Amino acid sequence: QVHLVQSGAEVEKPGASVKVSCKASGYTFTSYLIHWARQAPGQGPEWMGRIDAGSGETEYSHKFQGRVTISRDTSASTAYMELSSLRSEDTAVYYCAREKGGTSWDYWGQGTLVTVSS
Amino acid sequence: QAGLTQPPSVSQGLRQTATLTCTGNSNNIGYEGAAWLQQHQGHPPKPLSYRNNNRPSDISGRFSASRSGNTASLTIADLQPEDEADYYCSAWDNSLRLWLFGGGTKLTVL
Repeated sequence: QVHLVQSGAEVEKPGASVKVSCKASGYTFTSYLIHWARQAPGQGPEWMGRIDAGSGETEYSHKFQGRVTISRDTSASTAYMELSSLRSEDTAVYYCAREKGGTSWDYWGQGTLVTVSS
Repeated sequence: QAGLTQPPSVSQGLRQTATLTCTGNSNNIGYEGAAWLQQHQGHPPKPLSYRNNNRPSDISGRFSASRSGNTASLTIADLQPEDEADYYCSAWDNSLRLWLFGGGTKLTVL
């Protein structure tokens, strides 16, 4: 069965960077896209970007352009999301999700809490 | 920026039917439809339907999605206590080139 397992919670200071991982199993990693979204406390999800795990092609939300980098390691079946220049408003749970065949997402990771605090 | 509009809350009785709505425009819902997700407190979102209105294989037939123009709907029949959750719609916006989410609807089963 398909699983997306994310790395553990992080606490970072303002101005720092954070890198969250998403390890996929149970399917051919390079045949799907992986998306990243975040959810601030009490808010709805917010899309950050996606990567074609096969080609490595990325697309980002313009809101995060220049601050977010999504990458993957095909040998480890793992996708990564790095967010730089962190500020307190970046405190949120970050999720990875697999895209099902051009429709939308079918599997989500368990989420990673990133707290930005001085 | 344009977003997707959902009513903040909906309440309906046990074993009744609830219909949740999500309104966008021709660049998003009207373009390729909307997906629906359910989220219980402290858990990740769970897909209930894809943009083509099909359900994941593990989702009950009590959940059905549809679209009319720029409005997507999720109908939940025979409401159960476990259906109390937050429900989000999401759609790709081909003009903004990003996925949008609605603000969410909190469903209360009375």
